[in-house]
Amino acid sequence: DQQVKQNSPSLSVQEGRISILNCDYTNSMFDYFLWYKKYPAEGPTFLISISSIKDKNEDGRFTVFLNKSAKHLSLHIVPSQPGDSAVYFCAASALSGNTGKLIFGQGTTLQVKP
Amino acid sequence: GAGVSQSPRYKVAKRGQDVALRCDPISGHVSLFWYQQALGQGPEFLTYFQNEAQLDKSGLPSDRFFAERPEGSVSTLKIQRTQQEDSAVYLCASSLFIHEQYFGPGTRLTVT
Repeated sequence: DQQVKQNSPSLSVQEGRISILNCDYTNSMFDYFLWYKKYPAEGPTFLISISSIKDKNEDGRFTVFLNKSAKHLSLHIVPSQPGDSAVYFCAASALSGNTGKLIFGQGTTLQVKP
Repeated sequence: GAGVSQSPRYKVAKRGQDVALRCDPISGHVSLFWYQQALGQGPEFLTYFQNEAQLDKSGLPSDRFFAERPEGSVSTLKIQRTQQEDSAVYLCASSLFIHEQYFGPGTRLTVT
């Protein structure tokens, strides 16, 4: 049972344009969501997070949107840069009574073309 | 460096061998997590420590997997009698606040 899904295995965008990565979840107990970026042979690097009490969080070129009713979140990267090319994972966690373990999606490979 | 470190970075084991994977978390981080990442998949939770206490081991796939963190700092993930399906990248993460976990580079285990 895949509780966190990233249905697009890959995405290709032109440098300077917007990249939109999507993530869906099924467990209504999830109340904290994170995006990680991963380069080959490295561990995932934390990018940005959002609590379920918010619907938007912004950090520089990165914005995460949360639609709780649709159980959907998205990561927007504007403008996209070639250095953003990596695998992006969304992850979810449940605050209450939880150890903080993260449930990850399968990842989306983003390629930003110069 | 100040990040999470893991050793070895690569490990090749023959089926049936025991392996031990080490994680050095960020200094002062109370929480430590182990994840297993199969090729083309996202990381999957294995186990969680708060200081030296193992509070959640629900993700360990079998009793061949064992983790410890005896002094609340360095952690070791041990896999006994390795099988081919154990081949994966094993990631360690630590955190000060419960949710924002910082990952090490991982250990790639190949069982032949």
